Amino acid sequence: AQKITQTQPGMFVQEKEAVTLDCTYDTSDPSYGLFWYKQPSSGEMIFLIYQGSYDQQNATEGRYSLNFQKARKSANLVISASQLGDSAMYFCAMRGLSGGYNKLIFGAGTRLAVHP
Amino acid sequence: GAVVSQHPSWVICKSGTSVKIECRSLDFQATTMFWYRQFPKQSLMLMATSNEGSKATYEQGVEKDKFLINHASLTLSTLTVTSAHPEDSSFYICSARPPTGKLNTEAFFGQGTRLTVV
Repeated sequence: AQKITQTQPGMFVQEKEAVTLDCTYDTSDPSYGLFWYKQPSSGEMIFLIYQGSYDQQNATEGRYSLNFQKARKSANLVISASQLGDSAMYFCAMRGLSGGYNKLIFGAGTRLAVHP
Repeated sequence: GAVVSQHPSWVICKSGTSVKIECRSLDFQATTMFWYRQFPKQSLMLMATSNEGSKATYEQGVEKDKFLINHASLTLSTLTVTSAHPEDSSFYICSARPPTGKLNTEAFFGQGTRLTVV
């Protein structure tokens, strides 16, 4: 079975500082993908970044980077130079073979608050 | 990017009535769509996988007679909450992804539907 764990219910960060949101996962699938989504108060789900289990390098997308440590089964999201608009819920999610490479399973989420 | 449209954005209904929520993939064909439920300040819980032309696959603990799913075409899936009760009040959100066959293709989400049963 697949499981995603996000242990930080809430995080605070000062504007322009960097912040790391933790995510650990558990799966027996040999191949899987890890995703991060942002959910503002409006409820929409915004895709941020993807990391494949066989990717050699950590993924980066603008101010977002993923600190992928496969042996530790962790895929932490790093947001650099935080902005007020980054305040939102952040979800880590996984897709793998056991879900037909289709089904996304989400963690509990972390609420990020960016202070001026 | 690909667009998934969900309608309505919010709905208020009386106990005992049924409510239908639509999820459309606007610029790609989706043989599979997913329905999630989200309680306030909680995560997205997968309810069911909607399969075009066949029966939906429900997650454990989800009442299939309560939450009827129909995937009549490659671009439309509907979720009907039957005989709604106040405890069914929640945020329902659908997702789909283009059939690229690639693991890294992200899922696109509808805008979500906030259901309030009074």
